[in-house]
Order: sequence, then C-alpha cells, then structure tokens
Amino acid sequence: QVQLMESGPGLVQPSETLSLTCTVSGFSLTSYNVHWVRQPPGKGLEWMGVMWSGGSTDYNSALKSRLSISRDTSKNQVFLKMNSLQSEDTTTYYCAREGIVGDFDYWGQGVMVTVSS
Amino acid sequence: DIQMTQSPASLSASLGETVTIECRASEDIYNGLAWYQQKPGKSPQLLIYNANSLHTGVPSRFSGSGSGTQYSLKINSLQSEDVASYFCQQYYDYPPTFGAGTKLELK
Repeated sequence: QVQLMESGPGLVQPSETLSLTCTVSGFSLTSYNVHWVRQPPGKGLEWMGVMWSGGSTDYNSALKSRLSISRDTSKNQVFLKMNSLQSEDTTTYYCAREGIVGDFDYWGQGVMVTVSS
Repeated sequence: DIQMTQSPASLSASLGETVTIECRASEDIYNGLAWYQQKPGKSPQLLIYNANSLHTGVPSRFSGSGSGTQYSLKINSLQSEDVASYFCQQYYDYPPTFGAGTKLELK
C-alpha cells in the first residue's frame, strides 16, 4: 500500500540548515509528484514545494531563497533542505503524494522540528 | 496566489446533527478543490476531491458541493469520530493553497 514517512532531526539550531527525508513505498517517484507541506502548532497548512515526477521542482515564493528539494529514485526518497532556520520555522513538516487530479491523496505522519539553541 | 477563505473558524455541534463548512476562493477554481480531515496529533487525510467526489473509504455521511468560487463540506449525522479540524485546498492553480481550517467540536 501507499506509504510516506518523514524523518529528520527534532531540534535544529537557529541559522542552521534543516534536512528532512521522505521515504515512500507503494508507488514510484517517477510516476507521482511529491509535495512538502508544513503546519505550525495549532495553525493552518502551508505548501512549501514539489518534486515533480519528471525530476524538476517548484517552490513557495516566500521560501524559495532558502529551500531545496531533491530526490533519489533508487532509494524511493525525496529530500528537503532549508537553510537559515529561525524560530518561525518551528513546525511539523509533512510530505504528501499528489493524486491523479491534483489533490494530496496520501500524507506522511509528519515530523515535528523545533528551532532553538 | 488564490486565497481560500474558510468559515467558520470553529464549530460546536451535537451528535447526530448536520454541519456545514464553507470555503470561498478569491477566483474561480473550476471545482479544483479538496477537503481534508485532521484529527489531533495526526496528519491530514483526504475526504473529498474535485469538490464533490468521495475519496476511497470515506463514509458517505461526508459530502462536498459547490462551483465557481463557493464550496461547502457537509457532514450528516455527526459522529464522535468526526471531531477534528477540516481544511479546504484549491489545486486548480499553482501554488496550491489551503483554507485556515475549521475546528469541529462536540457540544
């Protein structure tokens, strides 16, 4: 069955770089787009960016200067790197698969990241 | 970017009641709309896509409707397991954008 699982550090120092991994199973990264979405505690959802099935990327314009998404299809993994982290980047990060029509039909369980010294 | 305005922000209802959550887009999104349910401490789960199509495994008491810029999610015969936050999302245009969410509680 389709599964996505985020992994990464729970604590990052201010101004440091966050590195997260989304490991997928049950589908191919070359057939489906995978998105990153984040959610501050008790707040709404913010789209961060996408790894298209063809291997290109798009980013939220507000995060574009700090964000990089890449993948390793042989390992079924999509990576997120975001630099210059600040306290407002303390949030839960999700990866999600884009369905056939454009919705997000499957989500990972999320990884909570705290930015603090 | 297309703005999604969701209402109400919070809602209290009794078991068995019917509830409706609204979402308004800043421009026509041609039914490119999804609804998600998020229970506390869990990830969002897809309920409805294309404004009115039920995702696999979602109970039939959930339904979606609307067109143009106005959309709604209806929950018939509210159950205790429906206590959650609900979000709308437009995927008609990039970037995809979400409503601020509706927190549904039991009265």
